[in-house]
Amino acid sequence: ILNVEQSPQSLHVQEGDSTNFTCSFPSSNFYALHWYRWETAKSPEALFVMTLNGDEKKKGRISATLNTKEGYSYLYIKGSQPEDSATYLCAFESPDDKIIFGKGTRLHILP
Amino acid sequence: NAGVTQTPKFQVLKTGQSMTLQCAQDMNHEYMSWYRQDPGMGLRLIHYSVGAGITDQGEVPNGYNVSRSTTEDFPLRLLSAAPSQTSVYFCASRGVGNEQFFGPGTRLTVL
Repeated sequence: ILNVEQSPQSLHVQEGDSTNFTCSFPSSNFYALHWYRWETAKSPEALFVMTLNGDEKKKGRISATLNTKEGYSYLYIKGSQPEDSATYLCAFESPDDKIIFGKGTRLHILP
Repeated sequence: NAGVTQTPKFQVLKTGQSMTLQCAQDMNHEYMSWYRQDPGMGLRLIHYSVGAGITDQGEVPNGYNVSRSTTEDFPLRLLSAAPSQTSVYFCASRGVGNEQFFGPGTRLTVL
């Protein structure tokens, strides 16, 4: 059974502060690591897809890093804003095209 | 482009009834998948397809059937609905090596 773990489960951050959270995944049989943003009552939206060890991706104030050898990825948000409140999902993709999600980190930005 | 569409948006079934959840995409994506979302469980992969005529099982395939006769459509069939299948169902599609695009979801209640 493939295990994708995200921590913390929930996080409260003051507006303007920076934050980060973790996704852990199997270091074997790796093809890609996905990050998604999921707002309440909407559908998940893709942030990044990363494939290479050492990959770093950035989109505005959000960035992500990837370590495939040790099986983890970090998502960073700089200068949190109220619109960043959402659940952030990571997903592990194996070479057989199976994409398995973690349970997510629920981020609350406090005004 | 309409992207990924799902019908119906809401459905109530009685135990033992059958139904088909429809999913269609107009982006000519080869890869399509079905997930279910339950509280505290994140998104769990039910079935997926890497192209017309090809389907495979995900994490929780029992009680569900799929087929992929065209690139555009990927219906999910519940042959004999059970209360444990009460959930929100998301369909997704993607091109080669890219992020998934999700449909708006179908909220299913089985009484």
